[in-house]
Amino acid sequence: GAGVSQSPRYKVAKRGQDVALRCDPISGHVSLFWYQQALGQGPEFLTYFQNEAQLDKSGLPSDRFFAERPEGSVSTLKIQRTQQEDSAVYLCASSLALYSGSSSYNEQFFGPGTRLTVL
Amino acid sequence: DAKTTQPNSMESNEEEPVHLPCNHSTISGTDYIHWYRQLPSQGPEYVIHGLTSNVNNRMASLAIAEDRKSSTLILHRATLRDAAVYYCILRDGGSGNTPLVFGKGTRLSVIA
Repeated sequence: GAGVSQSPRYKVAKRGQDVALRCDPISGHVSLFWYQQALGQGPEFLTYFQNEAQLDKSGLPSDRFFAERPEGSVSTLKIQRTQQEDSAVYLCASSLALYSGSSSYNEQFFGPGTRLTVL
Repeated sequence: DAKTTQPNSMESNEEEPVHLPCNHSTISGTDYIHWYRQLPSQGPEYVIHGLTSNVNNRMASLAIAEDRKSSTLILHRATLRDAAVYYCILRDGGSGNTPLVFGKGTRLSVIA
């Protein structure tokens, strides 16, 4: 079946431009996560949605970063006035379950990421 | 989430077993041990997870120490397609749907 898709796969922006990154999660998946991965590092958490509700945005690095999931499916990560330090791969992941629970089986399925380069 | 420690890199010959270690000395009783891997130019993918008992699936085996302070991911026969960064991650099974906390992982190279 279809996995998590992200678009665009590559984005080059001039410093100061606004960008919007799209994530299409697996159909029916309740939870959606955004991560940022700098070169040579592991992914770092940005924000988390449960359906349309943004439950955790503690990882967003500044108020230039904004995420939404208005209908509980597709999500958009927007970065305003991009800076060079925003250059990274932005990963989206979805999972079926609401809770980790006693089995903690809720595997996260990742998209291929969007590589953002800010010049 | 408790911290994990992994070697930066490891190397294996093709078709030989690979044992990827992970230390998590401060693990709590409700923490599950998860392994994800990231192939080049792809997002991470789930490999396996466990709590106390050893686990097997089609991809790998997970051996968990009796005191749970360490674990080992075992690939029984490494192939070139197993070359990836492997992440050992602890997740609290007693809380809500938490994000994954990645370290730097172990970069596995497989030699033909």
